[in-house]
Amino acid sequence: DSGVTQTPKHLITATGQRVTLRCSPRSGDLSVYWYQQSLDQGLQFLIQYYNGEERAKGNILERFSAQQFPDLHSELNLSSLELGDSALYFCASSVVGNSYNEQFFGPGTRLTVL
Amino acid sequence: DQQVKQNSPSLSVQEGRISILNCDYTNSMFDYFLWYKKYPAEGPTFLISISSIKDKNEDGRFTVFLNKSAKHLSLHIVPSQPGDSAVYFCAASATGTASKLTFGTGTRLQVTL
Repeated sequence: DSGVTQTPKHLITATGQRVTLRCSPRSGDLSVYWYQQSLDQGLQFLIQYYNGEERAKGNILERFSAQQFPDLHSELNLSSLELGDSALYFCASSVVGNSYNEQFFGPGTRLTVL
Repeated sequence: DQQVKQNSPSLSVQEGRISILNCDYTNSMFDYFLWYKKYPAEGPTFLISISSIKDKNEDGRFTVFLNKSAKHLSLHIVPSQPGDSAVYFCAASATGTASKLTFGTGTRLQVTL
């Protein structure tokens, strides 16, 4: 158990809909990261937050947005969903946000868009 | 543009033998490298890391080797155990990129009895 929790575990929805994925980092970790893993692909970095502020952005679509709240939990919002958005979405956390900290991953949310 | 490549999608090794997983990268700015292990229905679990100032890091049965000139790293598992059967991801980050990790596509290791 990494200490990172993600809800829900599974999500099935229809094209055009909007969903929210939630992540609680390990106790004491200030940095939260979101990654997307499509079928047979590596994890693709989406976005990072550090202590409530956006720190870095990756290949995140404009239809996607995220935020980190004062209690450090984070939410990833996906809107106008398309079939291609079906993937595993992982949240990770680390103590700080520099290059030399390993990230601890949650169990992921499997999103299926029908 | 795949900056981190794991060219072997799968590897099968007998229990007790050495497993060698390989990873190549193209971005010369990468200076920190990590290996993660992933079981089905779970998130990746950190295994071992190495910074670019070293060429080897060891932790129990796991050793990571870094060859900067070849932009190549490898993970050695000795001896391999059935519980090591999982997908292994290589990842890299660069100073100043706020620890964004760039992952390879993974190698599925199967350790047979």
